[in-house]
Amino acid sequence: EVQLVESGGGLVQPGRSLRLSCTASGFTFGDYAMSWVRQAPGKGLEWVGFIRSKAYGGTTEYAASVKGRFTISRDDSKSIAYLQMNSLKTEDTAVYYCTNIYSYGWGGAFDIWGQGTMVTVSS
Amino acid sequence: DIQMTQSPSSLSASVGDRVTITCRASQSISSYLNWYQQKPGKAPKLLIYAASSLQSGVPSRFSGSGSGTDFTLTISSLQPEDFATYYCQQSYSTSRTFGQGTKLEIK
Repeated sequence: EVQLVESGGGLVQPGRSLRLSCTASGFTFGDYAMSWVRQAPGKGLEWVGFIRSKAYGGTTEYAASVKGRFTISRDDSKSIAYLQMNSLKTEDTAVYYCTNIYSYGWGGAFDIWGQGTMVTVSS
Repeated sequence: DIQMTQSPSSLSASVGDRVTITCRASQSISSYLNWYQQKPGKAPKLLIYAASSLQSGVPSRFSGSGSGTDFTLTISSLQPEDFATYYCQQSYSTSRTFGQGTKLEIK
């Protein structure tokens, strides 16, 4: 079964750090770019960032709202993507989803989604 | 960043209705436009990619069209399971952006 499972969410104080994990199964993880998308309570979807596959350099892109604070990495040997979140702010409170990116041309779509993990930033 | 604007923000319709949701990009994005469906408490689901390509397993009553800056998602005959929130998303720019969502409710 094709599946993504996020873990690592929870309650954290402003200014602290948290690392989320996304474990993949059922597909060749290393062949895909991986992305994180978040959704604040009662709000819409917000793209956080993505990491390209090693075949495309494994480089990363981030939304302006998290650039410099969040880092995405991957371990293809374990089929895991990570989201390291530093200097957390209350506005980072959201459900965080991991997705793979189905590539078409030079674009791509968020195809497989995890169930999401809740991050609450509060004192 | 490319801004994506959906209209309407909410919509009431009945089972069997034909429904169209519009998405407009702040600049041309060619056909790099995707549509997602999200039900309460669930992860989004990819419906349409590259503006008009139906994702595997998605019912044929869903269709997408458009290019450049203007796009539409059409549901030809609403079914009870289609009541959800729909999002467009551009993949033209490395900084991906979503529309604000369209909530489709039962009339």
